[in-house]
Amino acid sequence: DAKTTQPNSMESNEEEPVHLPCNHSTISGTDYIHWYRQLPSQGPEYVIHGLTSNVNNRMASLAIAEDRKSSTLILHRATLRDAAVYYCILNAGNNRKLIWGLGTSLAVNP
Amino acid sequence: DAGVIQSPRHEVTEMGQEVTLRCKPISGHNSLFWYRQTMMRGLELLIYFNNNVPIDDSGMPEDRFSAKMPNASFSTLKIQPSEPRDSAVYFCASSGGQGTFNSYNEQFFGPGTRLTVL
Repeated sequence: DAKTTQPNSMESNEEEPVHLPCNHSTISGTDYIHWYRQLPSQGPEYVIHGLTSNVNNRMASLAIAEDRKSSTLILHRATLRDAAVYYCILNAGNNRKLIWGLGTSLAVNP
Repeated sequence: DAGVIQSPRHEVTEMGQEVTLRCKPISGHNSLFWYRQTMMRGLELLIYFNNNVPIDDSGMPEDRFSAKMPNASFSTLKIQPSEPRDSAVYFCASSGGQGTFNSYNEQFFGPGTRLTVL
């Protein structure tokens, strides 16, 4: 599986938008881009995924670069509950195995 | 749906003892994953099953670790004998089902078992 690169940590203020970047320059044509997050003392939870087009759901938006070598998870209005570690993962659609990096630890200031 | 259920939530044991962690996946899911998480190494996949059959156990650290899935609603991860370096949070996750991509690949995690080996 191709590798992803994320900043170790980021900080945001409550009610402001947050843009979490992920680089995946070796992505293959069949790799989906997944985002999960892990709240303190909990298991990871799914946030969003996409292949080529930008995606929106109730939790976040995913913006995918045209060459697919990078993507950005967008939280439109950060809340204190969004403080978590965010993982960007590549996964071929026919493979259920996810390879996890260390993610980005997001702190949200009141 | 109750989600993925893991037991026990916390386990403290002494080096050399046998430890058994249990997992009940979400009903209807046909893939089950065991992960280990530590501060140093992050989240590591130990083994995963598809339709109760082990597919990839390349992450199992050594012969002291074993996992079974006797039926679609139950799995165990056993460590015998346990060592202090096995101290970690162990997560079970499940995924799968028919239909959309989400139901096929999205993994649902349990609350984890925090294992401490003294």
